[in-house]
Amino acid sequence: DIQMTQSPSTLSASVGDRVTITCRASQSISSWLAWYQQKPGKAPKFLIYYASSLESGVPSRFSGSGSGTEFTLTITSLQPDDFATYYCQQYTSYPWTFGQGTKVEIK
Amino acid sequence: EVQLVESGGGLVQPGGSLRLSCAASGFTFSSYAMHWVRQAPGKGLECVSAITSNGGRKYYASAVEGRFTLSRDNSKNTLYLQMGSLRAEDMAVYYCARALGGSNINPPYDYWGQGTLVTVSS
Repeated sequence: DIQMTQSPSTLSASVGDRVTITCRASQSISSWLAWYQQKPGKAPKFLIYYASSLESGVPSRFSGSGSGTEFTLTITSLQPDDFATYYCQQYTSYPWTFGQGTKVEIK
Repeated sequence: EVQLVESGGGLVQPGGSLRLSCAASGFTFSSYAMHWVRQAPGKGLECVSAITSNGGRKYYASAVEGRFTLSRDNSKNTLYLQMGSLRAEDMAVYYCARALGGSNINPPYDYWGQGTLVTVSS
């Protein structure tokens, strides 16, 4: 199975900050990576696919980059609505695996 | 509007069975692969099972293989997960999710249901 490792596990930031979350795969996954946002008690929300393609309706302050084994999710100017947990997921091969999550909390 | 509504969760004893349903609306259900993803309390996300748009291929996580059975009824726009021999470690919120690629079974998931809680306890 491909292991996905996110860092950091928790990130403290303020409104307006630029935030970067890293996701590393245990082997190359090309660009077959997605990002999701989850708030407490809610289902995950789809943000990005194919490493850098923004889902329709997702604010442009979110962006993704990377290929192979290292990927990043960047939020250019953190907004109050962005405090949540973020997950990456590889879908190059079954079983499709998620990272353990990165919680973005208010500093 | 795409909607996925799960039902069937609840309290079950270890070793028991439960059937989850996911009612879909707002899109052509028979054109999309569908998945179940679970989240144990306070934990991350785990893909449980997946099925192609016509039901011809199914995938199961190793943790549930042989105990869970996934099916779909395209005439009723409904996805099912029959869960058997339930264990404490199966306790989680179970989400159904639609695969972005339509008939392509792979993630990612562009729409999720609200989830249904399965509690396994004596």
